[in-house]
Amino acid sequence: AQKITQTQPGMFVQEKEAVTLDCTYDTSDPSYGLFWYKQPSSGEMIFLIYQGSYDQQNATEGRYSLNFQKARKSANLVISASQLGDSAMYFCAMRLTGNQFYFGTGTSLTVIP
Amino acid sequence: GAVVSQHPSRVICKSGTSVKIECRSLDFQATTMFWYRQFPKQSLMLMATSNEGSKATYEQGVEKDKFLINHASLTLSTLTVTSAHPEDSSFYICSARGLGRSSYNEQFFGPGTRLTVL
Repeated sequence: AQKITQTQPGMFVQEKEAVTLDCTYDTSDPSYGLFWYKQPSSGEMIFLIYQGSYDQQNATEGRYSLNFQKARKSANLVISASQLGDSAMYFCAMRLTGNQFYFGTGTSLTVIP
Repeated sequence: GAVVSQHPSRVICKSGTSVKIECRSLDFQATTMFWYRQFPKQSLMLMATSNEGSKATYEQGVEKDKFLINHASLTLSTLTVTSAHPEDSSFYICSARGLGRSSYNEQFFGPGTRLTVL
């Protein structure tokens, strides 16, 4: 069975500081993709960053970086220089070879001014 | 990025009625569309995967006769909640992947439809 685990239901970070949101996954598929999405209170899902299972380097997109540790099956999201607008739910997701996406339970991030 | 729309954004209906939710890819051809359900403060649960022109593949535990999915064209998929009951009240989100402007590695989400069944 495929599984995505986010162990932090809620996180707080001071504005302008960096924060790491944890994500571990479990799959027997050799090929998979890992994603992070942001969901503000409006409900829309916003794509942040992608890491392929065969990618050698950690993905980066602006203030977002993905700390991919394949042997440990972890794909943590690092947000640098947090902004008030970063307050939202964050979901880690895994795409398998059948193109299905499976989501973690999410982490609620609150940025404190 | 690519744009996916959903209609309606909110719907309130009486128990026993059927509700249709549309998901459209506006600037690319969506060969695959996904339907998710999200309860308050919970994660997105994949309900089904639909490929254009073929029958949807439902996840385990999802009633295919209750949640009818049609993906008749490369830009439109519909989810019909038949004989809706209060326990069907939820946030329904579609996403799409395919040709054109969308990246192979991404799926683009619609803004969601909040269904309330009285």
